[in-house]
Amino acid sequence: EDQVTQSPEALRLQEGESSSLNCSYTVSGLRGLFWYRQDPGKGPEFLFTLYSAGEEKEKERLKATLTKKESFLHITAPKPEDSATYLCAVQANQGGKLIFGQGTELSVKP
Amino acid sequence: KAGVTQTPRYLIKTRGQQVTLSCSPISGHRSVSWYQQTPGQGLQFLFEYFSETQRNKGNFPGRFSGRQFSNSRSEMNVSTLELGDSALYLCASSPRDPRTDTQYFGPGTRLTVL
Repeated sequence: EDQVTQSPEALRLQEGESSSLNCSYTVSGLRGLFWYRQDPGKGPEFLFTLYSAGEEKEKERLKATLTKKESFLHITAPKPEDSATYLCAVQANQGGKLIFGQGTELSVKP
Repeated sequence: KAGVTQTPRYLIKTRGQQVTLSCSPISGHRSVSWYQQTPGQGLQFLFEYFSETQRNKGNFPGRFSGRQFSNSRSEMNVSTLELGDSALYLCASSPRDPRTDTQYFGPGTRLTVL
């Protein structure tokens, strides 16, 4: 069964304190792995798509990496505005549906 | 370019009633997918539509149904509402086919069943 597990469930950082979020997955043929950011009361906002092991993508203070079993979202020198829930999702080769993890709730204090 | 729009944004219903939610995809996008988000289960896939055809359906009871119109707008309907149907219902659109394109989400409709 296709499955996505994110850790930790919650992460509290001080402003400027870099860290990483983990997304472990099992899927029968990976088409893509997606990272989204979700603010309270809003829909998920697309961040990155990764397609193959070894691929990396960056956007401002965020960098996503992919291996055959997991993905990491590295946050460098975070700011309070980076506080949100970060969602990881996988898409299998045979279907369009996204399978989501439970998310990591990130809080960055000034 | 305007994003995905969903109406209404908030809805309160009572058990046994039915509800219809609407989604307008990003202009030019032809594919729409629906997801249910709850604190306990997270985001779960409901259905996927492309060119007015349902391509895929998640593990939800038959009370949940949907459709897509020729202008790519989509609606989902829930009949005989139950308390457990309280959730944020999210619509996502993609340019052609969700199997090959990134899905962009709308703000959601918050449904509360009393």
